[in-house]
Amino acid sequence: GAGVSQSPSNKVTEKGKDVELRCDPISGHTALYWYRQRLGQGLEFLIYFQGNSAPDKSGLPSDRFSAERTGESVSTLTIQRTQQEDSAVYLCASSLVGSSTEAFFGQGTRLTVV
Amino acid sequence: GQQLNQSPQSMFIQEGEDVSMNCTSSSIFNTWLWYKQDPGEGPVLLIALYKAGELTSNGRLTAQFGITRKDSFLNISASIPSDVGIYFCAGQPRTGANSKLTFGKGITLSVRP
Repeated sequence: GAGVSQSPSNKVTEKGKDVELRCDPISGHTALYWYRQRLGQGLEFLIYFQGNSAPDKSGLPSDRFSAERTGESVSTLTIQRTQQEDSAVYLCASSLVGSSTEAFFGQGTRLTVV
Repeated sequence: GQQLNQSPQSMFIQEGEDVSMNCTSSSIFNTWLWYKQDPGEGPVLLIALYKAGELTSNGRLTAQFGITRKDSFLNISASIPSDVGIYFCAGQPRTGANSKLTFGKGITLSVRP
């Protein structure tokens, strides 16, 4: 597609359940980022993929969070045993050659844990 | 870690007015970015600044990279209703494959017609 696509756009889940969020980056973009945005907050870095390099997982808040990326295509962010504080908008961005500056964002997935 | 400060959290202006937003940091950044986020959308890049002192315009928007490399401002002139949204500053400490953006908390702009 023309832009970064994220699915689902909205997800309501019960506390304790696992969720998977999907990101389809712009074709050809080697770098992919996941950010979390809590209500009224800025963007919190979660994880970064660049080509075949080992991902930068330094932003993942706990071991309940994990992400995978297949080659230079789709990425999934998985949250296990969800907690209410996981409620947020999860944004994915992609860019060329690993430079953050030309990152294009998807519309995000709004996760609500009840 | 590195933090970017944006204040106030909200701004209310009259249509047609100019508005200026500032972003400061205790750390030096090599790149400053300004994004706008509309409701239900992801942030969209407005202006990117790469050199200290650089002044860049994009239509009614003007942004400057502070000389100290610890601040940046965004100015919107002759505001219109569609300028409503959340404006984020972001900084990149160095270029390269592992340079992650640091975002401010954003300023919510409201424009009264």
